Amino acid sequence: SQKIEQNSEALNIQEGKTATLTCNYTNYSPAYLQWYRQDPGRGPVFLLLIRENEKEKRKERLKVTFDTTLKQSLFHITASQPADSATYLCAPRASGSARQLTFGSGTQLTVLP
Amino acid sequence: NAGVTQTPKFQVLKTGQSMTLQCAQDMNHNSMYWYRQDPGMGLRLIYYSASEGTTDKGEVPNGYNVSRLNKREFSLRLESAAPSQTSVYFCASSVDGASDTQYFGPGTRLTVL
Repeated sequence: SQKIEQNSEALNIQEGKTATLTCNYTNYSPAYLQWYRQDPGRGPVFLLLIRENEKEKRKERLKVTFDTTLKQSLFHITASQPADSATYLCAPRASGSARQLTFGSGTQLTVLP
Repeated sequence: NAGVTQTPKFQVLKTGQSMTLQCAQDMNHNSMYWYRQDPGMGLRLIYYSASEGTTDKGEVPNGYNVSRLNKREFSLRLESAAPSQTSVYFCASSVDGASDTQYFGPGTRLTVL
């Protein structure tokens, strides 16, 4: 069955450092992959989408990579700030499927001042 | 432009009671979704509606029914609530197409005693 694994433990980093979050998937080949941010008590908010033919995507301090050989996506936040503290969800979507995303359970990031 | 709205925000039910969760979007999106989110499980798709007049089962549809009332509204009904349905429920919508960004509502926190 399809499986998505994100960093299993919460990630704590110091303000100003780069945070790197990992999303690994097995048993399918996503046509694209999305990353969402979720704050406590709120719904997820879309951040970035990367397609299978793209190696890297950037948006301001965010960078996403997509390695279809390793079946892995990395999500980087550079110059991290305490306001970046949240849970980050990856959501791969297989080609040809109906409009369904499969979400990972998320990585809780805390940026310490 | 309110985006995706959900009612109620909180609800406590007794086992066997029924209720309907309401969702509405004002972005003229074609597709709508219901998810549940449990600790450590990530978001799991219950039902979705690719367009007005159609609904399809997701990963965990048992114990739920849905109605796509019109293009704006998509409701989720629990006919006979069970403690296993204690969860946070999110509604989402997307424009349509193969690589949609999903926009989420604020969620409904449901407890079944």
